[in-house]
Amino acid sequence: GAVVSQHPSRVICKSGTSVKIECRSLDFQATTMFWYRQFPKQSLMLMATSNEGSKATYEQGVEKDKFLINHASLTLSTLTVTSAHPEDSSFYICSVFTGTAGEKLFFGSGTQLSVL
Amino acid sequence: GENVEQHPSTLSVQEGDSAVIKCTYSDSASNYFPWYKQELGKGPQLIIDIRSNVGEKKDQRIAVTLNKTAKHFSLHITETQPEDSAVYFCAASPSARQLTFGSGTQLTVLP
Repeated sequence: GAVVSQHPSRVICKSGTSVKIECRSLDFQATTMFWYRQFPKQSLMLMATSNEGSKATYEQGVEKDKFLINHASLTLSTLTVTSAHPEDSSFYICSVFTGTAGEKLFFGSGTQLSVL
Repeated sequence: GENVEQHPSTLSVQEGDSAVIKCTYSDSASNYFPWYKQELGKGPQLIIDIRSNVGEKKDQRIAVTLNKTAKHFSLHITETQPEDSAVYFCAASPSARQLTFGSGTQLTVLP
């Protein structure tokens, strides 16, 4: 399967600041990556689909101006949480879709964001 | 859209016993059913998946069964070990691109 590296694993920031999370596909050229959000003891919620070389598509209710996604290469997608507030505190997880190479979804290790 | 229900929400078993987690789905177009294991503070790990052209798939102590007529699928873990303790998520979709996840099952294997 695809090996997905996500950094940082944990970040604490002050309210109003921006935070960038990186997701790297180490052994697979990913045209499509996904970003999920997970609250404690809850399931995974899809936030957006990151498409290499084009704009991300966001799920209903997800603010595209707050959660900026950039997928500039086949191995890197970034999620920037802009002007973070305490309610943005959550576990953010990226994933790689292997498409025609097996049609599977592999996840990164996640980033715990805490906004003070 | 797809709706996936997962039961039970918590499951405790004695080490060495079997564990079964069940999921039902609503969309008859779904034909891909993966299972993920998530340990505390980590991302989900794909442990087994099945596509609708087969009814059962096994990988060592883990097996998944699928009943397309009844729209349900199950995860079976035999000879459970303490390291099997984690949250398990099922998912369903017409493809892996757009998975709908179940609500998760916290499995605890008691030594």
